[in-house]
Amino acid sequence: DADVTQTPRNRITKTGKRIMLECSQTKGHDRMYWYRQDPGLGLRLIYYSFDVKDINKGEISDGYSVSRQAQAKFSLSLESAIPNQTALYFCATSESGTGAYEQYFGPGTRLTVT
Amino acid sequence: AQSVTQLDSQVPVFEEAPVELRCNYSSSVSVYLFWYVQYPNQGLQLLLKYLSGSTLVKGINGFEAEFNKSQTSFHLRKPSVHISDTAEYFCAVSDRKAGTALIFGKGTTLSVSS
Repeated sequence: DADVTQTPRNRITKTGKRIMLECSQTKGHDRMYWYRQDPGLGLRLIYYSFDVKDINKGEISDGYSVSRQAQAKFSLSLESAIPNQTALYFCATSESGTGAYEQYFGPGTRLTVT
Repeated sequence: AQSVTQLDSQVPVFEEAPVELRCNYSSSVSVYLFWYVQYPNQGLQLLLKYLSGSTLVKGINGFEAEFNKSQTSFHLRKPSVHISDTAEYFCAVSDRKAGTALIFGKGTTLSVSS
């Protein structure tokens, strides 16, 4: 079984709809992250969480919100989806205390907003 | 704040040729450096990382990278590429002390042809 899972893997939604992307991990890591990937722009950080009660905005948080329901679960919500939020979304995890902060990525969710 | 510049957006090479993918970073603090690979329609996978010690680091699939502090570079190399190395490659940096989230470059698409 994959260590970092994302659901759904693909989603098509309409402008103005609320949508939630979910991420779960079995690695036991305390840190979790949401990124979006756009062609030619690389990965950009949306939100990150260093533990259940510590949530931080990233580079491009406008239009998004997150919830850390448990150490293993980190959800990303688009309150009112718009077409320029069409992208590939990745969840990642890392472990504090190792000094390296290497991140492990999920398989991604391809979101299309029409 | 940190930033990462990948100097080539696309690198076409023939099979069995050597390749170098260039990465420069900017940071006012000490950093960890990473290279990730993304095969078509997949998530990101860690190729290699520089944490400390030897400036030449070896990763998976025959790749290696050299950390050059004076030139703030972390170029990725492989002496002989295969068709299967066709993928997108991302250089990333994180703050060694604060352990913040990764900052990614925009990616380099490596295309290997026969």
